[in-house]
Amino acid sequence: DAGVIQSPRHEVTEMGQEVTLRCKPISGHDYLFWYRQTMMRGLELLIYFNNNVPIDDSGMPEDRFSAKMPNASFSTLKIQPSEPRDSAVYFCASSLGGGINTGELFFGEGSRLTVL
Amino acid sequence: GENVEQHPSTLSVQEGDSAVIKCTYSDSASNYFPWYKQELGKRPQLIIDIRSNVGEKKDQRIAVTLNKTAKHFSLHITETQPEDSAVYFCAATGGSYIPTFGRGTSLIVHP
Repeated sequence: DAGVIQSPRHEVTEMGQEVTLRCKPISGHDYLFWYRQTMMRGLELLIYFNNNVPIDDSGMPEDRFSAKMPNASFSTLKIQPSEPRDSAVYFCASSLGGGINTGELFFGEGSRLTVL
Repeated sequence: GENVEQHPSTLSVQEGDSAVIKCTYSDSASNYFPWYKQELGKRPQLIIDIRSNVGEKKDQRIAVTLNKTAKHFSLHITETQPEDSAVYFCAATGGSYIPTFGRGTSLIVHP
């Protein structure tokens, strides 16, 4: 497996524009996570899905953020409208939970977002 | 919910010295404690983990210890090398399989 795949790797946009980040988890993994990383706040969990169903979105900062997982192999994180304070690296991660599985997270390469 | 505190936030050592990073957690139900290493500009990757039924685990130059009674666990790196320079994150995971991460420790190993 190629691992967790994220796109785009870098995104520079202007305030007010819509941003869509994409993620393809590892095949067979039943958990998918979206994290935001900044120097000030470290790794913040935004939302996670189990079997494509959003379980906890309490980390989503505002209504401007939304996430979907239409099927087991694809998820999106959307910011509309974007603001400069949204500038960060956004990581997607997947894991295999349940039973004796380790729960290890496999991270994608991240999407570095800069909002001007 | 779970709360994980990690110290120190920055650690600077000379090559060859040992480095220790400590974490505490609040939820006694947590039973899986992974450590992730994130090199500059890269993704976090698991380097070692420990489950609640053991007190110590070692893998070459790195080791983790766990004290469930005191609810703290530590990462030990011996004979540090410049390539150990990175940010290290601890995490605590309970039955929900959702890890709670510490804020991270930036380790700098000076040649």
